[in-house]
Amino acid sequence: AQKVTQAQTEISVVEKEDVTLDCVYETRDTTYYLFWYKQPPSGELVFLIRRNSFDEQNEISGRYSWNFQKSTSSFNFTITASQVVDSAVYFCALSDAPGGGADGLTFGKGTHLIIQP
Amino acid sequence: DVKVTQSSRYLVKRTGEKVFLECVQDMDHENMFWYRQDPGLGLRLIYFSYDVKMKEKGDIPEGYSVSREKKERFSLILESASTNQTSMYLCASVAGHNYEQYFGPGTRLTVT
Repeated sequence: AQKVTQAQTEISVVEKEDVTLDCVYETRDTTYYLFWYKQPPSGELVFLIRRNSFDEQNEISGRYSWNFQKSTSSFNFTITASQVVDSAVYFCALSDAPGGGADGLTFGKGTHLIIQP
Repeated sequence: DVKVTQSSRYLVKRTGEKVFLECVQDMDHENMFWYRQDPGLGLRLIYFSYDVKMKEKGDIPEGYSVSREKKERFSLILESASTNQTSMYLCASVAGHNYEQYFGPGTRLTVT
């Protein structure tokens, strides 16, 4: 069975601080895919990134970066120089297929990130 | 752009009512999903469909059924709504196994 743990229920930081959201996963599959989604107050989930289990290179996209470490089964997400618009709930998810597979995605419980001005 | 729409953003129903939540996607996607989102629990898969008239149970199908008569539309049905089905319902679709899921805006259902 697959499992995703986001231990941080809520994080509050002041604007311009860096913040890291933790994600730890469990799976018996040798091939798997990890995702991060952002859910702003409007409610719609926005896809941020997908990584496969064979690619451990860190990813950077503007102020966002992701650190994938198979040795610790972690896929952490860092926002550099946070902004108020980054305030949202962030979900980490796991699947055995790039598109979420036939069984859908296994989500963590989410981390509510609050960026204070 | 991929568009996944849900019939209502907010819905209030009474206990025992039959409730239909509609989801429509405009990109000819094969797979469609219904998730339920609750505080502290994240998103949990209720049902999914990989083709017209095909459906599979997810992790929490009890109390729900689904219908997929046309490729673009996937309906979630609460046969007899109960207060513990008060939740946010999110629909998603994906072109195939090799693509990411696109989510609709969600329907916040309150059962009183």
